[in-house]
Amino acid sequence: AQKVTQAQTEISVVEKEDVTLDCVYETRDTTYYLFWYKQPPSGELVFLIRRNSFDEQNEISGRYSWNFQKSTSSFNFTITASQVVDSAVYFCALSGTPYFGNEKLTFGTGTRLTIIP
Amino acid sequence: NAGVMQNPRHLVRRRGQEARLRCSPMKGHSHVYWYRQLPEEGLKFMVYLQKENIIDESGMPKERFSAEFPKEGPSILRIQQVVRGDSAAYFCASSPIRPGNTEAFFGQGTRLTVV
Repeated sequence: AQKVTQAQTEISVVEKEDVTLDCVYETRDTTYYLFWYKQPPSGELVFLIRRNSFDEQNEISGRYSWNFQKSTSSFNFTITASQVVDSAVYFCALSGTPYFGNEKLTFGTGTRLTIIP
Repeated sequence: NAGVMQNPRHLVRRRGQEARLRCSPMKGHSHVYWYRQLPEEGLKFMVYLQKENIIDESGMPKERFSAEFPKEGPSILRIQQVVRGDSAAYFCASSPIRPGNTEAFFGQGTRLTVV
């Protein structure tokens, strides 16, 4: 069975501080994909990144960066110089080896991030 | 280039009524997934469909819930005889034919409130 754990339920930081959201996953699949999504107060899900299990390179996109470590089964997300617009719930998710194209996602319970102006 | 379209965005039903949630996948996408998000929780997979086929319904409650994705038209998630515990946000995602290369595009969700 697959499992995603986001141990941080809520985080509050002052604007311009850096913040890291943790994600730990469990899977028996050798090929899998990891995702991060943002859910702002308006409620939609915004895709941020997809990573496959064979690519352990860290990725940076503007103020966002992701650290994928297979050895610790972690896929952490860092926001640098946080802004109020970053306030949202962030979900980490995992999909396994697709069978018949089935790429259903297993989500963590989310981390509510509040940026204090 | 419309994204995944869900309607209605908000739906209010009285206990015992039926709820129908619609999802139109992105153009060219033939795979549809439904997820449920209970208040203050993460999303939970419900069902995966391809055109005219249910591929995986392992997350669907055994009773009152059904889903379809006909050859023509949107995918429908149907909840019969709704109860208060069905109040949640229901999200639909679609993906293209090629597996293993999807970003699982999500719709904006339907917020169901059972009163």
